[in-house]
Amino acid sequence: SQTIHQWPATLVQPVGSPLSLECTVEGTSNPNLYWYRQAAGRGLQLLFYSVGIGQISSEVPQNLSASRPQDRQFILSSKKLLLSDSGFYLCAWSLINQPQHFGDGTRLSIL
Amino acid sequence: EDQVTQSPEALRLQEGESSSLNCSYTVSGLRGLFWYRQDPGKGPEFLFTLYSAGEEKEKERLKATITKKESFLHITAPKPEDSATYLCAVLLLRGFQKLVFGTGTRLLVSP
Repeated sequence: SQTIHQWPATLVQPVGSPLSLECTVEGTSNPNLYWYRQAAGRGLQLLFYSVGIGQISSEVPQNLSASRPQDRQFILSSKKLLLSDSGFYLCAWSLINQPQHFGDGTRLSIL
Repeated sequence: EDQVTQSPEALRLQEGESSSLNCSYTVSGLRGLFWYRQDPGKGPEFLFTLYSAGEEKEKERLKATITKKESFLHITAPKPEDSATYLCAVLLLRGFQKLVFGTGTRLLVSP
């Protein structure tokens, strides 16, 4: 069966520091991969999606970037965090016309 | 603009008190609709997929239905462990398979 791992679960970072969140998927090949941010009381906002290695598309302009160095690995990064980058970050995977399946998220707090 | 609206925002039920959650949408090119359950501090957990009007899916105390403009999640004789936020999302084709989420209904079932 397929599983998705996301880490760390919680992260506290100072403003201006770099960020790297990692997501890996097991048990499937060539999945579509997604990064979302969920703000309190708001819906999930799609940040990035990827349909293959090295193929990244951004949905909204922001201070973040994403990379897909391997088929089942998706990384969310920032060179310098802003206060507004605080939130709950979720990684997801799917196959074509199938539901997206989510990891357990990373709670990011910027101080 | 694609829009997904869920109501009510919050719902408190007594154990055994049945009710329904609503998800209405204004989109073009609907490819499917998904229901998810999200527990605090966790990623959304997939529940159901609905693809066309008139379709129904059931799982334990939950039943999902769909018309051309809205979907319902019916909860029959809920238990406290059904307490969670329930999210609906519509699957669109926008150059890629995009999910647009509603903001969810927070359900609290009291014993």
